[in-house]
Amino acid sequence: AQSVSQHNHHVILSEAASLELGCNYSYGGTVNLFWYVQYPGQHLQLLLKYFSGDPLVKGIKGFEAEFIKSKFSFNLRKPSVQWSDTAEYFCAGGSSNTGKLIFGQGTTLQVKP
Amino acid sequence: NAGVTQTPKFQVLKTGQSMTLQCAQDMNHEYMSWYRQDPGMGLRLIHYSVGAGITDQGEVPNGYNVSRSTTEDFPLRLLSAAPSQTSVYFCASSPDRGAREKLFFGSGTQLSVL
Repeated sequence: AQSVSQHNHHVILSEAASLELGCNYSYGGTVNLFWYVQYPGQHLQLLLKYFSGDPLVKGIKGFEAEFIKSKFSFNLRKPSVQWSDTAEYFCAGGSSNTGKLIFGQGTTLQVKP
Repeated sequence: NAGVTQTPKFQVLKTGQSMTLQCAQDMNHEYMSWYRQDPGMGLRLIHYSVGAGITDQGEVPNGYNVSRSTTEDFPLRLLSAAPSQTSVYFCASSPDRGAREKLFFGSGTQLSVL
């Protein structure tokens, strides 16, 4: 069955610390992967996406993610977080065959100034 | 350009009542979907559509119906509301029916079922 899981539910970091949020997916066919961010009181915004090509994807605000097919993973990274990165982060995976797009449970990131 | 418009923004229902959440987009997107967002559970897909006349079930379809008679509209119907359906509901659309492009989200409907 199609699923997306995020390992970390709540992460607390100090400013300038490095960030890595885990995301694993299970799909049978071609998979499209996304990371979205939701700042308090706002809509979801797309950070980055992958559906083919270079497995290292760079997104907005200094975020990047690496698609590792052998590990079924698409982890989000940022070398140095800022207080303004405090938000909830969602990984999502879609099947090109069906168009079905599933989200993970989300990770709340709190960055302490 | 209005994007994705959801109505109403807030709704309170009694158990057993029915209602329809409206969703319309003016971007000629083929793909539309409904999610519910609950604390600690992320967004869960209720139903989705890859084009007019085509709908399919998501992760949590029970208690909800949808139809897609036009490209623009994708209403979500609650047949007999239950307290477990208290949630924030988001409609989203995308220009790509294969889920390869970003989703455009509506502003959400906060639903309480008493």
